[in-house]
Amino acid sequence: DIQMTQSPSSLSASVGDRVTITCRASQSISSYLNWYQQKPGKAPKLLIYAASSLQSGVPSRFSGSGSGTDFTLTISSLQPEDFATYYCQQSYNTLMCSFGQGTKLENK
Amino acid sequence: EVQLVESGGGLVKPGGSLRLSCAASGFTFSSYSMNWVRQAPGKGLEWVSSISSSDIYIYYADSVKGRFTISRDIAKSSLYLEMNSLRAEDSAVYYCARAGYRSGWYDYWGQGTLVTVSS
Repeated sequence: DIQMTQSPSSLSASVGDRVTITCRASQSISSYLNWYQQKPGKAPKLLIYAASSLQSGVPSRFSGSGSGTDFTLTISSLQPEDFATYYCQQSYNTLMCSFGQGTKLENK
Repeated sequence: EVQLVESGGGLVKPGGSLRLSCAASGFTFSSYSMNWVRQAPGKGLEWVSSISSSDIYIYYADSVKGRFTISRDIAKSSLYLEMNSLRAEDSAVYYCARAGYRSGWYDYWGQGTLVTVSS
C-alpha cells in the first residue's frame, strides 16, 4: 500500500501570506497526485489533479508541483476563504487510492 | 449538473448491518468509476471502496474487506455500500464520490451520510 505523509499537520498564516504544504509518497507515484480542500461540515473539493492541473473554477492562486515522491501545494496569496483543511491523495492505482492525514490551515 | 446524494445512514448496534445508497444524476453513470470515502469524527479522509465503470474491478480497504460490499444499479443510477458486522470504528460520515473520466481524482462528492455504530 502507498502511504501519504503531509507536512505540516497544522499551519497558522495570515491573509496575504504565501503558503506551502508538502506531501510525500512512500513510493514513486509519477504525477498521480491530487489535492483537496475541505471546510467544516462540507464535502472535500478537488483543487489540483495530476500534480499540477488546476480544476475548473479553482482560483489561480492555488498551484501544485512535484513528481515521483515529493509534491507541494502552494497558495500564492492567502484569502479569508482559504482557511480550511487540505488533503493530498495518490491515485497511482486508480481504484485503490489513499489520502494524506491532512493539513489544517488556521488564521494566525 | 452533476449531483450525488447519499442516504441510509443512521445509528446501528455493533455487529449490525446497514446499506448506504448514493443517487447519481447529471452524467452517464455507467461511464465512471465510483467510490466510497469515509471520515470519522474529527479525523481525516479514508478511502473505503471503489468500483470500476465496467463493474469488473472492485477494491476495498483492508479495514472493511470481507465486511463491506460495493455495488451499483445502472438502471437506477445508484451506488450502494452494504455494510455488515459493523464496529465502533466504522462510525463516520460516508461520502460517495465520482472519479474523473478514466482517472483517479474525485471531481464530484456527495454531501455525506453519517453512520454511528454504538450500543
